[in-house]
Amino acid sequence: AQSVTQLDSHVSVSEGTPVLLRCNYSSSYSPSLFWYVQHPNKGLQLLLKYTSAATLVKGINGFEAEFKKSETSFHLTKPSAHMSDAAEYFCVVSYEGTYKYIFGTGTRLKVLA
Amino acid sequence: DTGVSQDPRHKITKRGQNVTFRCDPISEHNRLYWYRQTLGQGPEFLTYFQNEAQLEKSRLLSDRFSAERPKGSFSTLEIQRTEQGDSAMYLCASSLVRGYEQYFGPGTRLTVT
Repeated sequence: AQSVTQLDSHVSVSEGTPVLLRCNYSSSYSPSLFWYVQHPNKGLQLLLKYTSAATLVKGINGFEAEFKKSETSFHLTKPSAHMSDAAEYFCVVSYEGTYKYIFGTGTRLKVLA
Repeated sequence: DTGVSQDPRHKITKRGQNVTFRCDPISEHNRLYWYRQTLGQGPEFLTYFQNEAQLEKSRLLSDRFSAERPKGSFSTLEIQRTEQGDSAMYLCASSLVRGYEQYFGPGTRLTVT
């Protein structure tokens, strides 16, 4: 079955340190991959997307992700965390044919002062 | 603002009542999606439309749920004979034709008492 796994339900980092949020997807040809962020009482906002172009994808607010087909991974990184990055992050996969989204269970990022 | 809008934002209803939610997508978007998000989980796909045609329904969408998009613009999601298990955030998203990223509305939070 098509699925996406976010390996950590909670991640805590100190402000100014790197962020790594891990995501693995079930293998399939032509996946599109996305990361969305959800701040409390706010809608889902697209951070970045991979759609078979460059494997290193840059997004908004300094986030980036690397598509690794051999590892079926799409981890989200940021060199230096900011307090405003505290939120819930969702890894999403979409497959050719339907384009409906399959969401991971989310990773709650906490940024410590 | 030309984003996805949803109405109402909050709905409290008693078990057994019917409720209807509305979604207005971004005007040039052909595809419209409905998702349901329960506390602590990622959104789950319910159904999607391309123009006025409903192309896929999840098995989560029981007989008590119905969705329409009569003129290929706004959509409604109706839940009949609500149950406490229907309490969730109902999210609407829209996109251009297949393969494009989805833009989400703020959601309708349903509480069934």
